[in-house]
Amino acid sequence: AQTVTQSQPEMSVQEAETVTLSCTYDTSESDYYLFWYKQPPSRQMILVIRQEAYKQQNATENRFSVNFQKAAKSFSLKISDSQLGDAAMYFCAYRSLGAGSYQLTFGKGTKLSVIP
Amino acid sequence: NAGVTQTPKFQVLKTGQSMTLQCAQDMNHEYMSWYRQDPGMGLRLIHYSVGAGITDQGEVPNGYNVSRSTTEDFPLRLLSAAPSQTSVYFCASMGGIYGYTFGSGTRLTVV
Repeated sequence: AQTVTQSQPEMSVQEAETVTLSCTYDTSESDYYLFWYKQPPSRQMILVIRQEAYKQQNATENRFSVNFQKAAKSFSLKISDSQLGDAAMYFCAYRSLGAGSYQLTFGKGTKLSVIP
Repeated sequence: NAGVTQTPKFQVLKTGQSMTLQCAQDMNHEYMSWYRQDPGMGLRLIHYSVGAGITDQGEVPNGYNVSRSTTEDFPLRLLSAAPSQTSVYFCASMGGIYGYTFGSGTRLTVV
């Protein structure tokens, strides 16, 4: 079974600065998807960014980018120019591409605080 | 608006009571799932379904039942609530390669 580890339960960043959230995972598969989800106090799960394992290029969505190191099984999220609205729980998630595999495996989350 | 609708948003139960958390989606997604979220534990899969009439267990299925009689609905039943089931519950559906859509969650407290 796959596991996802987020080693930073809490982090903080100054507004306008850059922060990197860490995620590692364990799998024996070669093809899979990785995701970062944001959960603000409203509880809604919001997809931030996704990465297909077969793509070498790191995914980027505006101020959010990832550093995907497949060999190291690492998938960190970088948030540039942090804004107050970025304060939330962030979850890293893995999805297998095996037959019949649709479920997401989540890490335990990182709570990000943004300091004005 | 298209999406996943969960009801209720909040619920307090007494130990031993039963209840059903409702989940409905209007996107014609075949795959639906239930997760529970506990502090420091992330989201853990309870049950999932790959289509009407087909359900299977996830990581933490004990104490929960599900059924899938239609594509749209995937209710989660607690037959005899226990304090250990105090949690936030999310329903999610998936369409396409990675198009997960989550409901807004149900905060359940069992006293």
